[in-house]
Amino acid sequence: AQSVSQHNHHVILSEAASLELGCNYSYGGTVNLFWYVQYPGQHLQLLLKYFSGDPLVKGIKGFEAEFIKSKFSFNLRKPSVQWSDTAEYFCAVLLGANNLFFGTGTRLTVIP
Amino acid sequence: DSGVTQTPKHLITATGQRVTLRCSPRSGDLSVYWYQQSLDQGLQFLIQYYNGEERAKGNILERFSAQQFPDLHSELNLSSLELGDSALYFCASNDGGSSYNEQFFGPGTRLTVL
Repeated sequence: AQSVSQHNHHVILSEAASLELGCNYSYGGTVNLFWYVQYPGQHLQLLLKYFSGDPLVKGIKGFEAEFIKSKFSFNLRKPSVQWSDTAEYFCAVLLGANNLFFGTGTRLTVIP
Repeated sequence: DSGVTQTPKHLITATGQRVTLRCSPRSGDLSVYWYQQSLDQGLQFLIQYYNGEERAKGNILERFSAQQFPDLHSELNLSSLELGDSALYFCASNDGGSSYNEQFFGPGTRLTVL
């Protein structure tokens, strides 16, 4: 069965620390990959997405993610986090046109 | 504010009951997606409607059903409720017929089954 794994359930960082959130998926075919973010009290919103081309994808607010096909991974990174990055982050894999599989999410807490 | 609205915000009911959750998509969006977010399962895709027609099905139980009306709002019906149905139910919308396009999520309806 297809699945999306986010191994880190809760990450706590100090401001200015670097961030890397892991995302692995189990599907051998062509995939389209997303990171969504949910800030406290807000709705889920798109951070970035990968369909094809350059495997290093730039998103909003200084986030980027790298698609490594051989590792079935799509890790999210940010060189220097801010307190305002405190949120829950969801990796998602699109299979076909409509079936979006989400990971269980990683809660990020940034300490000022 | 994503432009997607969901009512009610909270719903508390008893096992065996039936409830209806409502979603209004962003203006102009034809697709509505429903998701269930529970602590142990994460965010799971349930079903998608596009312009009134069912487009895709995910992990939706037979006790659950949905529909999209001519004005494009959608309702998710949950029947014979069980304790395990307690979760946050999200609706999302986009202007395309697929999830290639960004989905815009509503604030969710928190369902508690006692």
